[in-house]
Amino acid sequence: QVQLKESGPGLVQPSQTLSLTCTVSGFSLTSYNVHWVRQPPGKGLEWMGRMRYNGDTSYNSALKSRLSISRDTSKNQVFLKMNSLQTDDTGTYYCTRPTEGIVDWGQGVMVTVSS
Amino acid sequence: DIVMTQGALPNPVPSGESASITCQSSKSLLHSNGKTYLNWYLQRPGQSPQLLIYWMSTRASGVSDRFSGSGSGTDFTLKISSVEAEDVGVYYCQQFLEYPRTFGSGTKLEIK
Repeated sequence: QVQLKESGPGLVQPSQTLSLTCTVSGFSLTSYNVHWVRQPPGKGLEWMGRMRYNGDTSYNSALKSRLSISRDTSKNQVFLKMNSLQTDDTGTYYCTRPTEGIVDWGQGVMVTVSS
Repeated sequence: DIVMTQGALPNPVPSGESASITCQSSKSLLHSNGKTYLNWYLQRPGQSPQLLIYWMSTRASGVSDRFSGSGSGTDFTLKISSVEAEDVGVYYCQQFLEYPRTFGSGTKLEIK
């Protein structure tokens, strides 16, 4: 059974760095891509970036200067780091595994940027 | 980046009526392989999004046949026939032709 679970701090101070972990099970990170998507409260979905099965990454151009996605295949984990956080980075952060006809989503982790 | 523009619904929609949600892309999503790289999702309140339709018109596994997708290379429609209470939520279109992937702004469905 495919599962993705996001974890990380619920509260981050402005200007600090956000570090999130997506722990997956039921599939191998060397065979499937994992994406990060976020959603501000009451707003729409924003694609953030992708870790490809071969280790390549792609990023949303609007976030690229602040965002880094990496992984540890031995731990089945994908990491998101984003620096210089501001209040409009508040929202729910999801990791997803899109394949043809199936898109598995984590439950999401709520992150609040506030002092 | 490909811009996805969604239309609004005349909410609330009476239960049992049909509803059509439109989505337009700034670039054709029709690939040379003949497939159109468009997904539709439903996000129910308090839940993660779920995939309804992929390749513009193919229903995902377990999705009711009340949902159907259609369109051309740049103009798309998600039709829900005979809306039910469980259909309430926000519907998103998404292109997966290019990176960065982009979503529409969402269309809210309310039932009367």
